[in-house]
Formats: sequence, structure tokens, C-alpha cells
Amino acid sequence: DTAVSQTPKYLVTQMGNDKSIKCEQNLGHDTMYWYKQDSKKFLKIMFSYNNKELIINETVPNRFSPKSPDKAHLNLHINSLELGDSAVYFCASSQEGGAGYNEQFFGPGTRLTVL
Amino acid sequence: SQELEQSPQSLIVQEGKNLTINCTSSKTLYGLYWYKQKYGEGLIFLMMLQKGGEEKSHEKITAKLDEKKQQSSLHITASQPSHAGIYLCGADDQAGTALIFGKGTTLSVSS
Repeated sequence: DTAVSQTPKYLVTQMGNDKSIKCEQNLGHDTMYWYKQDSKKFLKIMFSYNNKELIINETVPNRFSPKSPDKAHLNLHINSLELGDSAVYFCASSQEGGAGYNEQFFGPGTRLTVL
Repeated sequence: SQELEQSPQSLIVQEGKNLTINCTSSKTLYGLYWYKQKYGEGLIFLMMLQKGGEEKSHEKITAKLDEKKQQSSLHITASQPSHAGIYLCGADDQAGTALIFGKGTTLSVSS
């Protein structure tokens, strides 16, 4: 049973297109996240979200928007894709526990390539 | 803002050898997490450390957090090819809402 799943695993698209990546967790967790891993393997938070609050990393362009239809899903929509958006995007979830209790479970990643 | 520095950046060891990966924080750590990533896969949680001086072990991997809670080490004993991958240390951000990660250590184990 997959705890955190993402689709698609690979996404190749043209510059200027709009795309979405889906994420689902079956762990009953309260909080979900999107991370971006660049070509140098550096992993950086983009958003964290629970049913109360969306926290956005201020460096994330507003072309990126998370959408949560319910507690188990957090999808990532990207408008007007740019070459620099090429990366691996990871979804994660955790039980809301605050600092020191924030073990996160990660999905397998979506490798986005913008041509 | 908090930063995590990992060293070494990459490591090649012969099978059976021991190795250590370090993670140093610019601020006091409230929670320190070690993850492993294999190519093309997600992150696998290894261990979490919270208290100064804490040490945890799982199979041949031991993680420690220093007393001042600013440095952690991950030690692998008698390395095997299955240990190969990217090891990432993560820490709670100031608000405890997300993890900040180091840049990772790529481990290769030659047989």
C-alpha cells in the first residue's frame, strides 16, 4: 500500500503550457507539502498546507498554486511553464506535530521537464 | 534563516568500510531528520533526533545529535552496496511548519 503517491511520475511539456501534478496520501495526516529538488539535488520547501492554513515559501512564483480538494489530496498547478521549472517535485505529508515532531513521508517524485 | 551544511558532498567507499556523514546547522536544532534517497525514488525516513546527546541506531546506521543541538552525524558500519544513495539531513524551520534540507551527501559503495 503506497502511503504517499504522485502522478504522473514523468512529465514532459512545452514552455508556456499549464500542467498539474496530483498527490494523495492514505496516512490520515493533517499536513501536506510540496518540495522542489533542483538539478543539484537541493530540496526546498514550496508550500505546506493543512485544512486551516496555507504557508507559501515567498520565493515561489505565483504561477505555482496548490489546490486541496480534501484532506488526503494536495495537487500542484503550474501555469505558463518556464525552462527553470524543470526539476523533481516531491509531495510529502506529516501528522501535525510542530517542531521536533515533524516526521514527513515523501512520495516518489514527479520529474518535470520543460522544453 | 537557518542553513544546514552537509559534508562531505560525495563519498566513495569500499564495501565493508565504515563511514561518517556530518550535518551542521547555523541555528539550534529542534528536530533533526535523516533521509535516504535512491536515484529516481522518493525520500526514505531513517531517523529523527530531538534531544542533545541523543543517539539512535537502526541496523548498521547510527545517528547522533551533539549536546549543543547544532551538529549531527550519521555513521554507517561495514557498508554494503545497498547503502548507496543520497543522504539528506533535514531540520524543522523556525515555525515548525516544514523541513529545511542540507544539500545531500552522495554515497557510492564499491564491491
